[in-house]
Amino acid sequence: GNSVTQMEGPVTLSEEAFLTINCTYTATGYPSLFWYVQYPGEGLQLLLKATKADDKGSNKGFEATYRKETTSFHLEKGSVQVSDSAVYFCALSDRFQGAQKLVFGQGTRLTINP
Amino acid sequence: GAVVSQHPSWVICKSGTSVKIECRSLDFQATTMFWYRQFPKQSLMLMATSNEGSKATYEQGVEKDKFLINHASLTLSTLTVTSAHPEDSSFYICSANWGTSGGREQFFGPGTRLTVL
Repeated sequence: GNSVTQMEGPVTLSEEAFLTINCTYTATGYPSLFWYVQYPGEGLQLLLKATKADDKGSNKGFEATYRKETTSFHLEKGSVQVSDSAVYFCALSDRFQGAQKLVFGQGTRLTINP
Repeated sequence: GAVVSQHPSWVICKSGTSVKIECRSLDFQATTMFWYRQFPKQSLMLMATSNEGSKATYEQGVEKDKFLINHASLTLSTLTVTSAHPEDSSFYICSANWGTSGGREQFFGPGTRLTVL
């Protein structure tokens, strides 16, 4: 079945450092790919998405490119801030009766120190 | 964006009792909602897909008689954990689909932490 594998955390960086969180997937067909973020005490929020190969999703300085040849969707940010501290989840969608059934990676906890 | 609420945000109950968790879409109608379970430091595990007006579809390994799901209206789905035991303690999260078929997005509730004593 479909699955998502993320780099294990926790990840701790200093402010203004470069961030990469790796994500690879296994899927049949052509899934859409997502990054969700969960801030402390809050629900998951969609950070960015890409729906087809070579698409680049971007939001709040974060970027990820849908790479079909390497089945990857790595999350990057050039200069992180303390406010980026959160848990990040990579996910893919598996169409189910027209709805969007998500399969999540295990999550990566990111801590940014000032 | 669309807002999804959950109630309660946390609950403590005794072993053997039942607990009901509500999931509401506040500013949109959702024909499909999803229920997830999140263990500490682990990912979200889809438990079931809740369809308005019909039976829920459970994932493999999820006991449908233990986790009762009711989606009685387009804005409300409920998850009832029946005869709860300590191993049912977890963080339960719901989500709802919103948008057109070309651009549906899932919006998540803030979660409900269940502790069974």
